[in-house]
Amino acid sequence: AQKVTQAQTEISVVEKEDVTLDCVYETRDTTYYLFWYKQPPSGELVFLIRRNSFDEQNEISGRYSWNFQKSTSSFNFTITASQVVDSAVYFCAPNQAGTALIFGKGTTLSVSS
Amino acid sequence: DAGVIQSPRHEVTEMGQEVTLRCKPISGHNSLFWYRQTMMRGLELLIYFNNNVPIDDSGMPEDRFSAKMPNASFSTLKIQPSEPRDSAVYFCASSFSQGLTTYEQYFGPGTRLTVT
Repeated sequence: AQKVTQAQTEISVVEKEDVTLDCVYETRDTTYYLFWYKQPPSGELVFLIRRNSFDEQNEISGRYSWNFQKSTSSFNFTITASQVVDSAVYFCAPNQAGTALIFGKGTTLSVSS
Repeated sequence: DAGVIQSPRHEVTEMGQEVTLRCKPISGHNSLFWYRQTMMRGLELLIYFNNNVPIDDSGMPEDRFSAKMPNASFSTLKIQPSEPRDSAVYFCASSFSQGLTTYEQYFGPGTRLTVT
């Protein structure tokens, strides 16, 4: 079974600060996937990234970057130069191939101006 | 594409009443998921269909909850009888799956259910 820990319940930063959201997962599978989702105050869940367990390259998308460390079972998410619009709850979700996503408790990010 | 469509967006009902939530997945997706989100329990998977067949219903709280997917473009989640503790936001999500490859799920806007 998959398990995920997002140890940071809440993070508060000031605009333009960089912030990293931690995600540590547990799995016994060799093939699995990792996802990040964003839930802004409006409530919808927005897909951010999907990564499979065989691809350990870090990924950058604009101000967003992801660091996948298979050796430490971590898939951390960094927002560079944060903006108020980044305020949301962010969920990390590991996934065993062929099954449904299991979401962590989420990290609430508050960015103030 | 219109995305995942859920109805109603809001539902207020009295304890004991039957509630039916509806979901239309994205066309071409063959997996459908129902989740429930509360402050206390976070985002919980209720049931997961693949090619209209229920694959994992271990998250369905009890017999008062039932879900169906009669065809690839429609699913319902029914609660009968409803109780105040069922108050939550219910999300439907869909994705394309092929063998053991998992692709991203796309979520509907959710149905906010309040049971008084």
